[in-house]
This record gives sequence, C-alpha cells and structure tokens, in this order.
Amino acid sequence: DTVLTQSPALAVSPGERVTISCRASESVSTGMHWYQQKPGQQPKLLIYGASNLESGVPARFSGSGSGTDFTLTIDPVEADDTATYFCQQSWNDYTFGAGTKLELK
Amino acid sequence: QVTLKESGPGILQPSQTLSLTCTFSGFSLSTYGMGVGWIRQPSGKGLEWLANIWWDDDKYYNPSLKNRLTISKDTSNNQAFLKITNVDTADTATYYCARIALDYGGDYFDYWGQGVMVTVSS
Repeated sequence: DTVLTQSPALAVSPGERVTISCRASESVSTGMHWYQQKPGQQPKLLIYGASNLESGVPARFSGSGSGTDFTLTIDPVEADDTATYFCQQSWNDYTFGAGTKLELK
Repeated sequence: QVTLKESGPGILQPSQTLSLTCTFSGFSLSTYGMGVGWIRQPSGKGLEWLANIWWDDDKYYNPSLKNRLTISKDTSNNQAFLKITNVDTADTATYYCARIALDYGGDYFDYWGQGVMVTVSS
C-alpha cells in the first residue's frame, strides 16, 4: 500500500496563506489529488493531477509537487475554507491521506 | 449535470451481506473512460477506497478487502452496485459512490454522492 501522511491539524487567520502537505511512502508521479470535506458533506474535488485546478474551484487554491511530496496552498484563506482536506493518490491503486483539519483563528 | 445517489439498508447484523446501490445521471457507464468508485468513511475518520468499475466492465478492488467485495453495474438503468459479505461492526460507515475521471496522470473522483450511512449492529 502507498501510505499518504498529512499533518493532522492547522490553525490560521483569515487572509493568511496556508500550505497543507502530503507525503507519499513511494513515488506517485503526479497522480495526487486534493479534496475538501466540510462537516456533514461529501468530499469535493479541488485539485487533480497534483496541480490542476478543478473547474469552479476558486483560484485561491493551488497544488504542487511530484514524486513523494505534495502541497495544497490556499492564499488567501477565507472563513469558508474551514474544513478537512484529504490527499488521494491513484498511481498505485487508490489511497487517501488521513486528512488535515483546517481551523480559522 | 452529473449527480449520484447512494441507497442501502441503513442497519444490518454482523455476518450479513451489505448491498449498496448507486443511481446516477449526467453520464453513462457505457461511454469510453467512464467509471464509478465506492469509498467509505467511518464517523469522524478518514476515507477508504473500496472498489471501481469501468465502462468496459473492468473491476478493481482494495486488496485488503478484495475477498469480501463484489462490484457490478446495470448500464441501461444507470446504476452501480457494491456487495460486502460477512459484515462486522468495523464496516459501520458512510458509504459514498463517486464518478471517476480517467486521466493519464492518475484517476480521480470528480463527482460524489451525498453518502449513505450503514450501521452494523447486533
């Protein structure tokens, strides 16, 4: 299994820039995708192929990385971005990270 | 407009078989490149991929659960199905179906259903 490791939680102030990291236990090339999940809702696709912004997602969201290290950046953070963010790889079967809970100060 | 909706039994007993249905619209599972996946999430926990089925009837399973899972589809009625045999309390979760976008860089789930809660309890 390809294990994806994410930091469990972050707290930032509105207007700041936040980076959420995801590290894979082996290379996944650019087969990394990011989802946002708010409480009681289904996940929503934000970024696919490591750096491609899904249609309709605000340009405040961006993704980067390849191989084993990936980053989701939100700049600037808004109050509505309070959510849990999951990375998912599809290079070696499909696995998800445990999620990073983003809270606003 | 792509939509997906899951349905299931709500509650079942240990050792029973869980049958889930995903009814979708806005795409066809007979179209090249289309796929549907199942993912589950225990309350307050992370996401676990279970299985995928593709337009050409190719099927892929989570290796850790493969011997308990069966995925299938009914193209004419725009439905996909998942069966999980011999359920246990550890199978208690919200189950999602999602459309898969086939991409050379790696497939991803671009549309998700709202999820259906399943509780396994005696």
